[in-house]
Amino acid sequence: EPEVTQTPSHQVTQMGQEVILRCVPISNHLYFYWYRQILGQKVEFLVSFYNNEISEKSEIFDDQFSVERPDGSNFTLKIRSTKLEDSAMYFCASSGGQEMNTEAFFGQGTRLTVV
Amino acid sequence: QKEVEQDPGPLSVPEGAIVSLNCTYSNSAFQYFMWYRQYSRKGPELLMYTYSSGNKEDGRFTAQVDKSSKYISLFIRDSQPSDSATYLCAMNLGYNFNKFYFGSGTKLNVKP
Repeated sequence: EPEVTQTPSHQVTQMGQEVILRCVPISNHLYFYWYRQILGQKVEFLVSFYNNEISEKSEIFDDQFSVERPDGSNFTLKIRSTKLEDSAMYFCASSGGQEMNTEAFFGQGTRLTVV
Repeated sequence: QKEVEQDPGPLSVPEGAIVSLNCTYSNSAFQYFMWYRQYSRKGPELLMYTYSSGNKEDGRFTAQVDKSSKYISLFIRDSQPSDSATYLCAMNLGYNFNKFYFGSGTKLNVKP
């Protein structure tokens, strides 16, 4: 069964460092997303991406964040200068296959710990 | 008012019980409704996906949407200990580029 894969599963970084979280969405999907979940809290939308550009972003997604689809398979989230409050699980999701269904499939997440 | 409201629980039931999980929402424009199951420190796993009002059944799971009341439900029949997880409802406006609005999740514990 197709799935969204994310690497690494756990990333520890020092405050102020740059991190790149990687995702391989489901191959025929057209819409890509990043969400995050701070421990014990709700899943929060960060950004959606379609046709090589951001289609929507939340207020959390400030200038420290960027996304890229560098090739036909990967989708990355970069945090330029990490803060302690960026510690969370980051989930990549994809949706919108050939049938234009809108349900989203999530990866297993990257647990980011900023120290 | 929050976009999507969900009772956080925890909800504790004996094995074999019928479980009812619910969400209410405020935006009448939502058209697609999803239920996800999330085990601790794992990604949300899609369980059910419905469009507009009505019922959808898949094995032990039934999803109901009542758009007139802005209320959605997930029923689990013959609940098993392996069903113990957090259940998240999510919804969106149903056209391109849409983000998904999540409830806060209900933690379910099915006791053997």
